[in-house]
Amino acid sequence: EVQLVESGGGLVHPGGSLRLSCAASGFTFTSYWMTWVRQAPGKGLQWVASIKQDGSEEFYVDSVKGRFTISRDNAKNSLYLQMNSLRAEDTAVYYCARMTGWRSYFDYWGQGTLVTVSS
Amino acid sequence: DIQMTQSPSTLSTSIGDRVTITCRASQNIGSWLAWYQQKPGKAPKLLIYKASYLETGVPSRFSGSGSGTEFTLTISSLQPDDLATYYCQQYDVYSLTFGGGTKVEIK
Repeated sequence: EVQLVESGGGLVHPGGSLRLSCAASGFTFTSYWMTWVRQAPGKGLQWVASIKQDGSEEFYVDSVKGRFTISRDNAKNSLYLQMNSLRAEDTAVYYCARMTGWRSYFDYWGQGTLVTVSS
Repeated sequence: DIQMTQSPSTLSTSIGDRVTITCRASQNIGSWLAWYQQKPGKAPKLLIYKASYLETGVPSRFSGSGSGTEFTLTISSLQPDDLATYYCQQYDVYSLTFGGGTKVEIK
């Protein structure tokens, strides 16, 4: 059974940093692109970043470029999102999800972790 | 970026009704479109990919159609478990983008 479990969310001040983790199991992690998608409270879904199987290629939404870094540790079957210079508008539930290709839909999702940016 | 526009934003309907949700892309995306269902407090669930392919395990009352810039998600006979918000997503071009969502509720 495919499982994606996020962790690392919490309350952080504007300008602060946070690192999200996603533990993957039930599939061959090294065979899949992975992604982060977020959802602000009461709002819709927004794709944030994606990373290739070997970590050699990454894509980001413009609003997080230069502040967020997606990475993965294939030995630990884990996906990460390093978030720096956080803003109030980054407040959201962050989901990790599995992709079926380099430019694709998301076939499995984690349960999400809430990030709140507030003073 | 490709803009995805869903309509309506809210759909008030009855159990057993046929439900149609529309998603329009700001440019041609071929058939690179997916649909998701999201219930309150839960992660989205994939329903349809490549515009019309039903994900394994999804009930056959769900169907998708369209290509280019106009797409539809149809629920042939709405069931109580279908009350949720539905999102479309294009994957033709990065940045990957979602529609604003359509909330399906009981009239």
